[in-house]
Amino acid sequence: GENVEQHPSTLSVQEGDSAVIKCTYSDSASNYFPWYKQELGKRPQLIIDIRSNVGEKKDQRIAVTLNKTAKHFSLHITETQPEDSAVYFCAASALGGNNRLAFGKGNQVVVIP
Amino acid sequence: DAGITQSPRHKVTETGTPVTLRCHQTENHRYMYWYRQDPGHGLRLIHYSYGVKDTDKGEVSDGYSVSRSKTEDFLLTLESATSSQTSVYFCAISAWQSPSTSNYGYTFGSGTRLTVV
Repeated sequence: GENVEQHPSTLSVQEGDSAVIKCTYSDSASNYFPWYKQELGKRPQLIIDIRSNVGEKKDQRIAVTLNKTAKHFSLHITETQPEDSAVYFCAASALGGNNRLAFGKGNQVVVIP
Repeated sequence: DAGITQSPRHKVTETGTPVTLRCHQTENHRYMYWYRQDPGHGLRLIHYSYGVKDTDKGEVSDGYSVSRSKTEDFLLTLESATSSQTSVYFCAISAWQSPSTSNYGYTFGSGTRLTVV
C-alpha cells in the first residue's frame, strides 16, 4: 500500500518567516495530495489539495507544490502567524481506489511570536 | 456544523468489554472512514465503507469490526477492548464519487477519545 513520510517532525519558525513541510510518497499511482491542519484538541481540517495534473496550487498564504517524478510534495506557508501553529498532515491517494487516504505522521509547526 | 457527528465524545471502558462508536452524517455521502490517531503514528485507517453494507479493511483492522446499515450511520465496534486500543478515533466522510468529482477532501468528525483501563 501507499506509504507517506513527512519531514521534519517538528518545525519552529519566527512569526513572519516562511515554513516548508515536505512529504514523500511511494505509490506512483497516487494522484491526489491533500494537506490537513489540526489544532490542539480539534479535528483535522483540509486546508489545500492538489491533483497530479498540476504542479502548484496557491491559496492566499499557503501553497502546495508537487514533483511527480521525485514523488514528493511540499506545503509552503508564507508570512507565518501564531494561528498557523498546529500539526499538519499530508496524505496521498489514488482516486480510483475508493479515495482511501494514506496519511503521514504529521508535522508540529510552532510559530514563535 | 460539518454534517458529521461522532458519539460518544469521551469514553472510559474496561479491558475485555465491547465498545461501539457511532458516526452519523447528514451529507448523504457514499464514503465513510474510521481512523485512529496515536502519537507518533499519525492517522491510520481502520475500516471504510463505500456504501450500505459495503465495507472493507484498512491497515489496522485487527480487533475492530464495522457495520453500515444506513447511508448516514457507520458504526465501529471493538469486540473485546484492549489497552492497545486506547486512542482517539476519527470518522471521516468523503463526497468523492468518481475521478470526475470536483470535491475529494475528507470532512472529519470531532473525534472520540477512548480509554481502555
